Amino acid sequence: QVQLVESGGGVVQPGRSLRLSCAASGFTFSSYGMHWVRQAPGKGLEWVAVISYDGSNKYYADSVKGRFTISRDNSKNTLYLQMNSLRAEDTAVYYCAKTHDYGDTAGAFDIWGQGTMVTVSS
Amino acid sequence: AIQLTQSPSSLSASVGDRVTITCRASQGISSALAWYQQKPGKAPKLLIYDASSLESGVPSRFSGSGSGTDFTLTISSLQPEDFATYYCQQFNSYPAITFGQGTRLEIK
Repeated sequence: QVQLVESGGGVVQPGRSLRLSCAASGFTFSSYGMHWVRQAPGKGLEWVAVISYDGSNKYYADSVKGRFTISRDNSKNTLYLQMNSLRAEDTAVYYCAKTHDYGDTAGAFDIWGQGTMVTVSS
Repeated sequence: AIQLTQSPSSLSASVGDRVTITCRASQGISSALAWYQQKPGKAPKLLIYDASSLESGVPSRFSGSGSGTDFTLTISSLQPEDFATYYCQQFNSYPAITFGQGTRLEIK
């Protein structure tokens, strides 16, 4: 069964750090680009970051550039999002998502995790 | 960044109705557009990719059309499980991927 399972969310104070993980199963993780997408409470979807299948290319939304780092460990079938200097406006459900096409990073997201909530509050 | 504007923002309809949701891009994006369905407390689900290709397992009552700047998602005959929020997404300006603001489809 193709599945993505996020973990690592929680409540954190402004300025602190948090690392999210996304465990993949049921597909060849090392062959697909992966993304993080977030959704603030009651709001729409916001793309956060992407990493190519081999980790060689990484891109970020302007809102998180310089603070967040996306990475992956293909030997562990796991995607990560290191979030530093967190702000109240980073409060959201964070989803990891798989790119639809083999070897691609620019395309629709066909598999999503269940999401993990990150709350930034003092 | 390319902006996507969905209309309407909300919509009331009845079971059996034909519904159309529109997504307009601020500049041409070829066919690099996808549609998602999201139910409360759940992750988005891919319905349509490349503007008009039906994702595997998605009922055929869903269809997508358009290219360039104007796109539509059509549900031919609404079913009770279709009441949800729908989002369009463009990836033509990769890596600057953007989503529309969403269309909430409610039961009349």
